Amino acid sequence: EAQVTQNPRYLITVTGKKLTVTCSQNMNHEYMSWYRQDPGLGLRQIYYSMNVEVTDKGDVPEGYKVSRKEKRNFPLILESPSPNQTSLYFCASSWTSGSREQFFGPGTRLTVL
Amino acid sequence: TQLLEQSPQFLSIQEGENLTVYCNSSSVFSSLQWYRQEPGEGPVLLVTVVTGGEVKKLKRLTFQFGDARKDSSLHITAAQPGDTGLYLCAGEEETGGTSYGKLTFGQGTILTVHP
Repeated sequence: EAQVTQNPRYLITVTGKKLTVTCSQNMNHEYMSWYRQDPGLGLRQIYYSMNVEVTDKGDVPEGYKVSRKEKRNFPLILESPSPNQTSLYFCASSWTSGSREQFFGPGTRLTVL
Repeated sequence: TQLLEQSPQFLSIQEGENLTVYCNSSSVFSSLQWYRQEPGEGPVLLVTVVTGGEVKKLKRLTFQFGDARKDSSLHITAAQPGDTGLYLCAGEEETGGTSYGKLTFGQGTILTVHP
């Protein structure tokens, strides 16, 4: 089954404790992206990747890091989480041309205390 | 960053009513997508419109892309409780020839259809 998986689905942590949210897709998509979703603000892009070893900042990259060492994986790293990073996070993947339909993961609900 | 203004932010209607959601920008988009998101899940694509003036129908849902490719609308006829959810529009920036264009999402419209 074609899908994007994220782990964990829920995470409660404390300020300053490094964490990683994993994302994996099995559709051989070149493009992968991380979004955060906050009430009234819609989906805002954090980072994206056009292909392996190619990453770039989105609209709200501060406080986040990403890596793309393999085509299927695109982890999101919070080196020192802060309460304002409490949010719902989505990973998405797509082709870089054609319909550009974004396939989203199920989301990760992060709470930083 | 191009902005997409989506309205209304909230919509609460009775089953059988019609509704329209709007997505507006001052920027031109090469394409515009509409997604639906249910609680606890990621957004799922409903439709992509590419040509200015294009109209696409998906059962009771009608999507329109503005002639100038700066705006779009989603019209639902005879809404049903199963239509309840968050609707998001997303525009792909024009890139002047390259294959990739950044996607910008609107704020979303939370639709509730009461039986």
